Amino acid sequence: AQTVTQSQPEMSVQEAETVTLSCTYDTSENNYYLFWYKQPPSRQMILVIRQEAYKQQNATENRFSVNFQKAAKSFSLKISDSQLGDTAMYFCAFMNYGGSQGNLIFGKGTKLSVKP
Amino acid sequence: DTEVTQTPKHLVMGMTNKKSLKCEQHMGHRAMYWYKQKAKKPPELMFVYSYEKLSINESVPSRFSPECPNSSLLNLHLHALQPEDSALYLCASSQELRELNYGYTFGSGTRLTVV
Repeated sequence: AQTVTQSQPEMSVQEAETVTLSCTYDTSENNYYLFWYKQPPSRQMILVIRQEAYKQQNATENRFSVNFQKAAKSFSLKISDSQLGDTAMYFCAFMNYGGSQGNLIFGKGTKLSVKP
Repeated sequence: DTEVTQTPKHLVMGMTNKKSLKCEQHMGHRAMYWYKQKAKKPPELMFVYSYEKLSINESVPSRFSPECPNSSLLNLHLHALQPEDSALYLCASSQELRELNYGYTFGSGTRLTVV
């Protein structure tokens, strides 16, 4: 069974600084997707960034980038130039490629607070 | 329209009540999902619909009854719930069950309180 582990329950960062959120996962599959979702107090889960396991190049989306280490099964999220609006719960998630269940498996989340 | 709309946003119901949660999307997505999220926990999958047919039921108690009347609409019918069923219920959709170029699109959820 696949598992996703986020070892940092809470983190804080000063506005404009850079912060890295950690995520590790366990799977015996070779092809899969990894995601970071953001859930602000408004509750809506918003996709931040996604990575296909077969791609070696790390995904980037504006201020958000990942460090994907497939052999180590690590998928960290770096937020540059942190903004107050980045304050949210961040969930790392995993899904098998081509899996029949279409089930996103979430980590327990990291609560990020951006301080002015 | 790039949204998943859930109604109501908040719901308080008694243990003998019958109520329904509604989820709607007009993005042409053919897979729709119900998740349950307890406070400070990650979402947990309840049901998956693909092309309006129930694809997955994650051993959810029968007091939760999903329905997909058409490709744009997903309902969750609630009956005889328990206080421990109080949670945020999230609906999501994706283009296909296994098409994840854009991940899932989530709604803002219904905050359910059972009294």
